[in-house]
Amino acid sequence: NAGVMQNPRHLVRRRGQEARLRCSPMKGHSHVYWYRQLPEEGLKFMVYLQKENIIDESGMPKERFSAEFPKEGPSILRIQQVVRGDSAAYFCASSHRRAGVPTDTQYFGPGTRLTVL
Amino acid sequence: RKEVEQDPGPFNVPEGATVAFNCTYSNSASQSFFWYRQDCRKEPKLLMSVYSSGNEDGRFTAQLNRASQYISLLIRDSKLSDSATYLCVVNRENAGNNRKLIWGLGTSLAVNP
Repeated sequence: NAGVMQNPRHLVRRRGQEARLRCSPMKGHSHVYWYRQLPEEGLKFMVYLQKENIIDESGMPKERFSAEFPKEGPSILRIQQVVRGDSAAYFCASSHRRAGVPTDTQYFGPGTRLTVL
Repeated sequence: RKEVEQDPGPFNVPEGATVAFNCTYSNSASQSFFWYRQDCRKEPKLLMSVYSSGNEDGRFTAQLNRASQYISLLIRDSKLSDSATYLCVVNRENAGNNRKLIWGLGTSLAVNP
């Protein structure tokens, strides 16, 4: 049972370009969470998605950031017109559903390290 | 006040020592509690869930005190490989069964030879 997969592991972009980060949850998991971690700082929740639905995007910046989790394929975190301050590690986690309520245990992917030049 | 608070450390201990971390949380309705560890530049990994009765996994013991709203992690016989940041995680119940995990900033542990 493969774990949470993220790609790319490292991504370099110039200011103003777009960054697309992909996350494939663990097999059988239908809940995906994205987190950002700045250097020397803690994890910051960004968004929680189920298939085709955004459940909680309270941690997403209002502009330039979007996320989706389509019926088929991985979840995508998209950052438009990147700025230097977007440089960070972006982690994806997944969890599974039990009796109509998502369990809380989250399993993390290895992260994507975004560097904006 | 932060929802989940931890002493950032660093805790520097010799091999073989026993070390304990505490974490306080502010939401009395929280139901799920976890300890994760995060190695430098790696993803967080689940160390253990914390149950009301307390639980033990080898050298690691987790306790929950609901009345005082804190959880603890005890590491006995520390190994060099225990050096990491330990993250305290507590759930928050939102509307519509949307339960969000709230993450502490972590406690840094360095085990020295």
